[in-house]
Formats: sequence, C-alpha cells, structure tokens
Amino acid sequence: EDQVTQSPEALRLQEGESSSLNCSYTVSGLRGLFWYRQDPGKGPEFLFTLYSAGEEKEKERLKATLTKKESFLHITAPKPEDSATYLCAVADTGRRALTFGSGTRLQVQP
Amino acid sequence: AAGVIQSPRHLIKEKRETATLKCYPIPRHDTVYWYQQGPGQDPQFLISFYEKMQSDKGSIPDRFSAQQFSDYHSELNMSSLELGDSALYFCASSLFGAGGPYMYQETQYFGPGTRLLVL
Repeated sequence: EDQVTQSPEALRLQEGESSSLNCSYTVSGLRGLFWYRQDPGKGPEFLFTLYSAGEEKEKERLKATLTKKESFLHITAPKPEDSATYLCAVADTGRRALTFGSGTRLQVQP
Repeated sequence: AAGVIQSPRHLIKEKRETATLKCYPIPRHDTVYWYQQGPGQDPQFLISFYEKMQSDKGSIPDRFSAQQFSDYHSELNMSSLELGDSALYFCASSLFGAGGPYMYQETQYFGPGTRLLVL
C-alpha cells in the first residue's frame, strides 16, 4: 500500500527565513510525485511534477527535488503570501489516482 | 487559462437526502477524478473515469455513484447522506499521456471544490 509522510506537520518562518519541507514515500513503482499548494477552503493548486530521482524543478522561491525515497520542497526567502498548506502526492504503478500526504502547514510571518 | 469547474460550490442537505455534484474538466482533458477531503485531512481518492469509462476506484461508499458523460463532464451522485459525508469534494482532470512516456502519470488539475454540509 502506498504511503506518503510529510514533515514537519506545521512550520512557522520569519519572512526571508529559508527552509525545506520533506515528503517521504513508499510505492511499488513511482509514476510521478506531485507538489500542490492548498489555501484554506480551496482546491489544491499544482506546483511541480517530478518523475525521476535526481530531477529538480524550480519556480520563483520554490524548488522541488526528488530522490528514490523522498522529495524536498525548498523555500528560499519566503514571503507572507507563501503561507499555505503544501501537499505531496504520489502516483503508483497501475493506478492513476493520487495518494496524498497529510501536508505541511506553512506560516510565514512578516 | 480555463480551469476545472465545479457546481454547486456550497451545498447543505439533511440526513438521508440525496445530492448531485457536477464537474466540468479542463477543455480537451479526457480523465476526471473525484476526491473527498474531510476537515483537517488530506484528499482521499473516490473514483475516476477515462473516456467515459470507470478507470479506478478508491474508498467510495456504495451509497455514492458517478459517471462521465459524452461531453466529458462528470457527476457524483450521493444518496442516503450521513453526517460523516460533510466534506470538501474536489474534482480533478487530466489529459491521458500528457506526462510523456506511458509509465509517467500526467498532472491532475483540481477544481475549487464543493463544500457539502449534512445536517
């Protein structure tokens, strides 16, 4: 059974204080690892898709990396508007549905 | 760019009533997924359709059914509603094969959700 574990559950940063979020996963065969951002009461907003170990993707202050067992979402010099829940999800062999982690609630204080 | 559309956005029902949620995928997307997100929880996969056929099934109760129509929109029908069905229901859509090689899962794009409250 697919398992996705995200840490920490919650993270409070000062504006400009860089940090990383972790996503550990267990799958039979990884068909993709996805990062989403979710604001309260809204739908998950797509950030990145990673397919192979060693792959990296970047967008503004965010950078996602992937190894064979985990993925990291690095946030550089965050701003208050980066405050949200960041969800990690995986797609396993034979399934197109996503299995989500429980998310990391990020709060960036000015 | 066009996004996934869901209706209604909010729905209040009594126990044992029925509800129908609608999802309109991004144009040209051929796959629709339904997820349920309880308060403070992560999204849980319910069911998906590809080219109007059920393609995968998750933890969907027998009281729920869904289908995808010829115009690719999908409807989730929920009967005998229970208090525990109160949640956010998300629809996501994707284009099969857009991820590249067959072994790669294409990205799913989520709608704004329908908030269902069962009283």
